Amino acid sequence: DAGITQSPRHKVTETGTPVTLRCHQTENHRYMYWYRQDPGHGLRLIHYSYGVKDTDKGEVSDGYSVSRSKTEDFLLTLESATSSQTSVYFCAISDSHQPQHFGDGTRLSIL
Amino acid sequence: DQQVKQNSPSLSVQEGRISILNCDYTNSMFDYFLWYKKYPAEGPTFLISISSIKDKNEDGRFTVFLNKSAKHLSLHIVPSQPGDSAVYFCAARGVAGTASKLTFGTGTRLQVTL
Repeated sequence: DAGITQSPRHKVTETGTPVTLRCHQTENHRYMYWYRQDPGHGLRLIHYSYGVKDTDKGEVSDGYSVSRSKTEDFLLTLESATSSQTSVYFCAISDSHQPQHFGDGTRLSIL
Repeated sequence: DQQVKQNSPSLSVQEGRISILNCDYTNSMFDYFLWYKKYPAEGPTFLISISSIKDKNEDGRFTVFLNKSAKHLSLHIVPSQPGDSAVYFCAARGVAGTASKLTFGTGTRLQVTL
């Protein structure tokens, strides 16, 4: 079981509020990823990181920002949450050319 | 534009029989393919993978076949067991530097019945 912890596991918030999700790893892997899972879409990449302070956009990055100030932590921020961002968010980690391993997800509801 | 497609949302198979899950892709630049298994309220778990230079990879009860000319891969589970009941995601890797950007299919829910 890869050492990945996502927090919080569940969150309910209101439209327009800022939200930050945290992913913490104990594996010292270089790469970290944020995905969202929605019915009919599978998992879609939001942002990823290839090192401390090195991040790049994924397929569905609009409305999201990320930060990685330490190897072990990757934060996903919704600056002003919208109902379309209600989803299940998964963090994943990997080393070079290795399969990604996923956390157990954060269920986010925006009312 | 869905670059990785799993056209069967669900599949039901009897215990002991073979389960065959299918996946099609459109991007010929994908160089690596993976299958993940997901139980409810858990994250996806890596199951098996195959490089684009191979046409078959086997791991115990699980075998993945790749047909590059058809841009098609399949996962065979033999024999199927009740614990295999889960959602299976096919994923394809496009390389950005050495990061692995995965594109996922929409998933197939497998139910193994007694």
